[in-house]
Amino acid sequence: AQTVTQSQPEMSVQEAETVTLSCTYDTSENNYYLFWYKQPPSRQMILVIRQEAYKQQNATENRFSVNFQKAAKSFSLKISDSQLGDTAMYFCAFRTSGTYKYIFGTGTRLKVLA
Amino acid sequence: NAGVTQTPKFQVLKTGQSMTLQCAQDMNHEYMSWYRQDPGMGLRLIHYSVGAGITDQGEVPNGYNVSRSTTEDFPLRLLSAAPSQTSVYFCASSYSKDYEQYFGPGTRLTVT
Repeated sequence: AQTVTQSQPEMSVQEAETVTLSCTYDTSENNYYLFWYKQPPSRQMILVIRQEAYKQQNATENRFSVNFQKAAKSFSLKISDSQLGDTAMYFCAFRTSGTYKYIFGTGTRLKVLA
Repeated sequence: NAGVTQTPKFQVLKTGQSMTLQCAQDMNHEYMSWYRQDPGMGLRLIHYSVGAGITDQGEVPNGYNVSRSTTEDFPLRLLSAAPSQTSVYFCASSYSKDYEQYFGPGTRLTVT
């Protein structure tokens, strides 16, 4: 069975600084997708970034980038130039290619400090 | 487009009562899912559907029923509510399994 682990329940970062959120996963599959979702206090789930396992290049979306280490089964999220609006819960998620079953981690609560 | 809508936003039930959480999307998405979110446990998949008339179980299906008679709607039924079903419930949809999931605003359910 696949599992997703986020070992940092809470983190904080100063505004304009960089922060990295960790995620590890376990799977015997070779083809899969990894995601980071953001859940602000409004409770709305928002997709931040996604990575296809077959792509070696790390995904980037503006200030958000990932460090995908397939052999280590690690998928960390780096937020550069942190902004107050980045304050939220961040969830790492996994999905095997060909299925629609998402598996989410337990989340990391990030607080950006002014 | 309204996107993914969920009703009600809040609900309090007594143990043993039944109810249906509604989910609708107006984006012509084939794929829809129900999740529950509990403190410290992230989101867990309850049931999902890959098209009208097709549903399947997720990680935590016990105590919940679903059906998909139309592309737009994917209701979640609690047949006999239990306190363990106190949670926030999210519905999500996507055009296909390889496209982005769009989430509804959630329903907070309390079972006393």
